[in-house]
Amino acid sequence: SYVLTQPPSVSVAPGKTARITCGGNNIGSKSVHWYQQKPGQAPVLVIYYDSDRPSGIPERFSGSNSGNTATLTISRVEAGDEADYYCQVWDSSSDHPGYVFGTGTKVTVL
Amino acid sequence: EVQLVESGGGLVQPGGSLRLSCAASGFTFSSYAMSWVRQAPGKGLEWVSAISGSGGSTYYADSVKGRFTISRDNSKNTLYLQMNSLRAEDTAVYYCAKDAFAENDAFDIWGQGTMVTVSS
Repeated sequence: SYVLTQPPSVSVAPGKTARITCGGNNIGSKSVHWYQQKPGQAPVLVIYYDSDRPSGIPERFSGSNSGNTATLTISRVEAGDEADYYCQVWDSSSDHPGYVFGTGTKVTVL
Repeated sequence: EVQLVESGGGLVQPGGSLRLSCAASGFTFSSYAMSWVRQAPGKGLEWVSAISGSGGSTYYADSVKGRFTISRDNSKNTLYLQMNSLRAEDTAVYYCAKDAFAENDAFDIWGQGTMVTVSS
């Protein structure tokens, strides 16, 4: 089955840039979506189709996807960005197609 | 307002059954594929099952295939998850989620979740 690997944690100072990677075999050929989840809340879509932002999501959130790595970038990090972040793809390559979520990354704002 | 509201969670013994419901409002329910996603306590997100807008296509994670059944009633704007032969490892918050645009797409709307606890 398809596996998406994320770093368990990323720490960043306020005002700096956080980069969260999502590794998968030839992930560049798939559409990657990113979610933000704060404690006790449902996930929120922050990036879809690799780099598109839903309405209401700040321009500070951006995404890219190439080769074996997709990246979510948070610029000018704020305290409110502290959360868990998950990447997601649809895997149609196996006999049992389905969604796959990454392992999740906890972003800590120092 | 676009909204998803789950219900039906609770405490169930191992081997038991439970049916979750997800009531949708604020959008044309039948036009969108829907999914169930779960999150065990302190763990990450795990996709469980998906169903097309018409209900004609269904997909399951290997961990629940043969035990869980996803369905929908478009006349009632409601998504269901029938869970049988429940195991301790099925303990989780279960979220329903709406596909953003097309089938097999991002999830743009999530419910608040309903807790399922499998324990004797």
